[in-house]
Amino acid sequence: DVKVTQSSRYLVKRTGEKVFLECVQDMDHENMFWYRQDPGLGLRLIYFSYDVKMKEKGDIPEGYSVSREKKERFSLILESASTNQTSMYLCASSLFYRAGQGLNQPQHFGDGTRLSIL
Amino acid sequence: GQQVMQIPQYQHVQEGEDFTTYCNSSTTLSNIQWYKQRPGGHPVFLIQLVKSGEVKKQKRLTFQFGEAKKNSSLHITATQTTDVGTYFCAGRPSSGSARQLTFGSGTQLTVLP
Repeated sequence: DVKVTQSSRYLVKRTGEKVFLECVQDMDHENMFWYRQDPGLGLRLIYFSYDVKMKEKGDIPEGYSVSREKKERFSLILESASTNQTSMYLCASSLFYRAGQGLNQPQHFGDGTRLSIL
Repeated sequence: GQQVMQIPQYQHVQEGEDFTTYCNSSTTLSNIQWYKQRPGGHPVFLIQLVKSGEVKKQKRLTFQFGEAKKNSSLHITATQTTDVGTYFCAGRPSSGSARQLTFGSGTQLTVLP
C-alpha cells in the first residue's frame, strides 16, 4: 500500500513565522501535490511537482513556496504565515500519467496537517 | 480558470434511501475521478471515468460521465451508515496541464440510522 506521511497532524504557529510542512511518500511516485482544504471550497491546489527540483504553480500559490530536493520528499513553505493561511493542508502523490490515454493516475493522500496561525 | 461545481453541498438521508451527487465543469474534461473522505480521514480514490457516456458500477455505487464530458454523477443505492463522508469529483481539463486535477467542493453525506 502507498504510504504518504505528513510530518505533523496539528501545528500552531504565529503570524509572520516561516512555516515548513513536510511530506514523504514511499512508492517512488513522480508527482507530488500540496492542497489546502477549507469548508465549502473543497481541495484547492497550491503547488505540484513532477520531478526532483521541478515545480508548477497550482490555483492558489500566493504566499507559499515548495521544495523538492529528493523524489520522496515534498515540502511546503509559508514564507511569512498569516491568519488567512489557517487551514487543513493535504499532501498527495501519484505515478506519472500515461500519455495519450487521457488518464490520470489516482492520487494518494496523507492524513493532513491542521495548521493554525495565531 | 477551470471550475468544477458540485451539488448539493450537504445531503442528509435516512438509511436505505438513495443518494446522488452531481459534478459540473465549465470546460470539457479528459477524465474525471471520484474520491471519498470519511470524517477525520483523507480522500481515497474510488474510480476514474474517461469515455463519453461511460457508466461504471461498484456494488451500490454507480458513476456516470456525461456525453459532452462536462458533467458526472455518483449515485448510491440504498445508503448505509458506512457511506457517510464527503464525496469529491476531480476533473482534468482537456486543454492545459495534463498533470493537474481540479477538485469540486464536495458533497457531505450524512446517513441517519
